[in-house]
Amino acid sequence: SQQGEEDPQALSIQEGENATMNCSYKTSINNLQWYRQNSGRGLVHLILIRSNEREKHSGRLRVTLDTSKKSSSLLITASRAADTASYFCATGNQAGTALIFGKGTTLSVSS
Amino acid sequence: SAVISQKPSRDICQRGTSLTIQCQVDSQVTMMFWYRQQPGQSLTLIATANQGSEATYESGFVIDKFPISRPNLTFSTLTVSNMSPEDSSIYLCSATSGGSNEKLFFGSGTQLSVL
Repeated sequence: SQQGEEDPQALSIQEGENATMNCSYKTSINNLQWYRQNSGRGLVHLILIRSNEREKHSGRLRVTLDTSKKSSSLLITASRAADTASYFCATGNQAGTALIFGKGTTLSVSS
Repeated sequence: SAVISQKPSRDICQRGTSLTIQCQVDSQVTMMFWYRQQPGQSLTLIATANQGSEATYESGFVIDKFPISRPNLTFSTLTVSNMSPEDSSIYLCSATSGGSNEKLFFGSGTQLSVL
């Protein structure tokens, strides 16, 4: 079953704009991760935020985590056409033995 | 980091046949996983490939249909047996050098079409 649920399902923006996608989850977590998947490729890890962290930055990426609301957001600033991809959040399954992925947000950045 | 080579990258197979997908990691990893991804959908965990022992399967997946091997710390195979069109999907190998909830590295996937 899905642990994380992203919204929106799809997002279309212009180059230079910021893109924000959200993830909600159901059970307690040790960490939450975001991945990117370009069309027809495997997933690439973007950032991991631990349950005791509230915000984390990596380049143009900013991730926030609110454990009281069981939600996270991924902000991509100054988007580029190359950011066009699907973005997934992932958390541990209830047994803590593997990662479970949300349904993903498909981001389209047009130039 | 780890680089994962997965092959074949794609295949078209006949109903009733089997396909074995290979996953090679360029360094020793603690855990390897196999996921399935329907077009435009999220990833569904098939099983955890355990080194030297039987794989741990998720609900809805069974060993007879998806036998998995992991003979060492860098290699795993997934076989899709007695295929039907419903098995058409992307199959993804992944691995981690940390614990089960840590950063995953992914292969580029195998796109399988069953006629």
